[in-house]
Amino acid sequence: SQTIHQWPATLVQPVGSPLSLECTVEGTSNPNLYWYRQAAGRGLQLLFYSVGIGQISSEVPQNLSASRPQDRQFILSSKKLLLSDSGFYLCAWSTGTGFYEQYFGPGTRLTVT
Amino acid sequence: KNEVEQSPQNLTAQEGEFITINCSYSVGISALHWLQQHPGGGIVSLFMLSSGKKKHGRLIATINIQEKHSSLHITASHPRDSAVYICAVKRRIQGAQKLVFGQGTRLTINP
Repeated sequence: SQTIHQWPATLVQPVGSPLSLECTVEGTSNPNLYWYRQAAGRGLQLLFYSVGIGQISSEVPQNLSASRPQDRQFILSSKKLLLSDSGFYLCAWSTGTGFYEQYFGPGTRLTVT
Repeated sequence: KNEVEQSPQNLTAQEGEFITINCSYSVGISALHWLQQHPGGGIVSLFMLSSGKKKHGRLIATINIQEKHSSLHITASHPRDSAVYICAVKRRIQGAQKLVFGQGTRLTINP
């Protein structure tokens, strides 16, 4: 069966510090991978998606970046965090981009102080 | 106006009550998801549907493509159903299929 892991589960970082969140998927090959953010009191927002190694599409301008160094690994990064980067970050995967379900990871709660 | 609107935003009910959460969308879609987000933040996909009705246990989801509307029903509600329920539509944006999310409905079931 397929599983999706995210770490860390929670993170408190000062403004201006770097960020690295990792997501890995097991039990499937060549998944489509997604990073979402849920800010306090707001809905989910798609940040990045990837259909293959090294292929990253960005949805919104921001100081975040994503990378996919391996087929089942998706990394969300920032060189310098802003207060507005605080939120709940969710990684998800699907087997395609059409009529396919997306499966979500447990999430990382990031607080920028 | 958001592309996906849910109502109500908050709902409190007593155990055993029949629950309905509504979702309206304003664009053409290929599918609609109902998701459940627990207090810890984890999200579980409940249903994905493009027409008609689906049932899983005490949960029922319906969609009317012509009216651009979907409902999620919970029969014999229980305190463990307390969660945020999120409607998301899948649509083609700039050549790719992407999910657009509603704001969520916070459901609280009291014993």
